[in-house]
Amino acid sequence: DAGVIQSPRHEVTEMGQEVTLRCKPISGHNSLFWYRQTMMRGLELLIYFNNNVPIDDSGMPEDRFSAKMPNASFSTLKIQPSEPRDSAVYFCASSLSAGDMYNEQFFGPGTRLTVL
Amino acid sequence: AQSVAQPEDQVNVAEGNPLTVKCTYSVSGNPYLFWYVQYPNRGLQFLLKYITGDNLVKGSYGFEAEFNKSQTSFHLKKPSALVSDSALYFCAVSFVGGTALIFGKGTTLSVSS
Repeated sequence: DAGVIQSPRHEVTEMGQEVTLRCKPISGHNSLFWYRQTMMRGLELLIYFNNNVPIDDSGMPEDRFSAKMPNASFSTLKIQPSEPRDSAVYFCASSLSAGDMYNEQFFGPGTRLTVL
Repeated sequence: AQSVAQPEDQVNVAEGNPLTVKCTYSVSGNPYLFWYVQYPNRGLQFLLKYITGDNLVKGSYGFEAEFNKSQTSFHLKKPSALVSDSALYFCAVSFVGGTALIFGKGTTLSVSS
């Protein structure tokens, strides 16, 4: 298996533009997570899907952020409009979950977002 | 509130010496505990986990961790450090009924030759 796939790996955009990050989880995994990593705040969970349904989106910073999972093999994280403070590395992770979080998560390589 | 703490921002050890990276946690009920490693410009990689059973857990690359319920700790250890172990290490915790994995802020391990 190729592992969790994220695209693009790097994104540079200007303030106010729309940004879409993409993730393909490991085949057979039913849980998907979006994280954001910054030096100041560390690793933060943005949203968690289980069986394509958003379970916990309490970490989504504000209405400018939205995430979708239209099927088991694809998810997007959208920022509209983007702001410089959104600059970070965004990770997608997937796992096989029966409800509780006792299975390890597998992380993608991340998307480094720079908003100018 | 559920939380995990890594009290050291950085740990420095010489190659060949034993290493310890500390982690303490606070959760309601029984914890699920994890260690991940992150190399530069890479995603996090799973090292090991404690769910139940034997308090000493062995994982990838010769790492191990000991679950100590009375001290609410889950320290990561390795008997002999390698320069290639230099990376950022994250402790994470969840619990029965939890819907999230809570990560610590990370500890940078630097192994000198």
